[in-house]
Amino acid sequence: AQSVTQLDSQVPVFEEAPVELRCNYSSSVSVYLFWYVQYPNQGLQLLLKYLSGSTLVKGINGFEAEFNKSQTSFHLRKPSVHISDTAEYFCAVTARMDSSYKLIFGSGTRLLVRP
Amino acid sequence: DAGVTQSPTHLIKTRGQQVTLRCSPKSGHDTVSWYQQALGQGPQFIFQYYEEEERQRGNFPDRFSGHQFPNYSSELNVNALLLGDSALYLCASSRGLAGRETQYFGPGTRLLVL
Repeated sequence: AQSVTQLDSQVPVFEEAPVELRCNYSSSVSVYLFWYVQYPNQGLQLLLKYLSGSTLVKGINGFEAEFNKSQTSFHLRKPSVHISDTAEYFCAVTARMDSSYKLIFGSGTRLLVRP
Repeated sequence: DAGVTQSPTHLIKTRGQQVTLRCSPKSGHDTVSWYQQALGQGPQFIFQYYEEEERQRGNFPDRFSGHQFPNYSSELNVNALLLGDSALYLCASSRGLAGRETQYFGPGTRLLVL
């Protein structure tokens, strides 16, 4: 079975500073990895996903993530954050080999960008 | 192009009642998944529908049931509501069953059980 750990429940950062949101997963099989963002009172929006190939994945709004198989991590980064990036961020995993699939989510990290 | 839509947006029920939530998938999508998101938690998978059949189910009791219609829209039914069923219920749609396909989420239905 797969699981996802997001160790940081909240990350405060000043505007224009860099940020890294950590995600570790466990799985006995190969996985696909996703980062979603949830703004207040809204659904989830896909930021980026790793399927295969290059381990550095670029997404929307200037975010990127790096897949590290040996460390079973998929950390999300942005070099310079804006106030508008304040939101909840969820890392998710799904197994490659399932005939059907479900997303397993972490508990989320609240990014709080301060002026 | 309309994205995933859900109705109603908010709902208040009392313990023991039954509720039906509705979801229309994004155009071109044939698979619908339902998730429960409790306050301060990540979404938890309830079940998934494809070709009008439940294909996979998470760790939810039989009080949670669903249906998919020929137009790919879907309903989530919850019977004998408990206080703990209070949550945001999210619907997600995608093309087919491959795990690599992106799931697109609706805005959710916020259910409060009193």
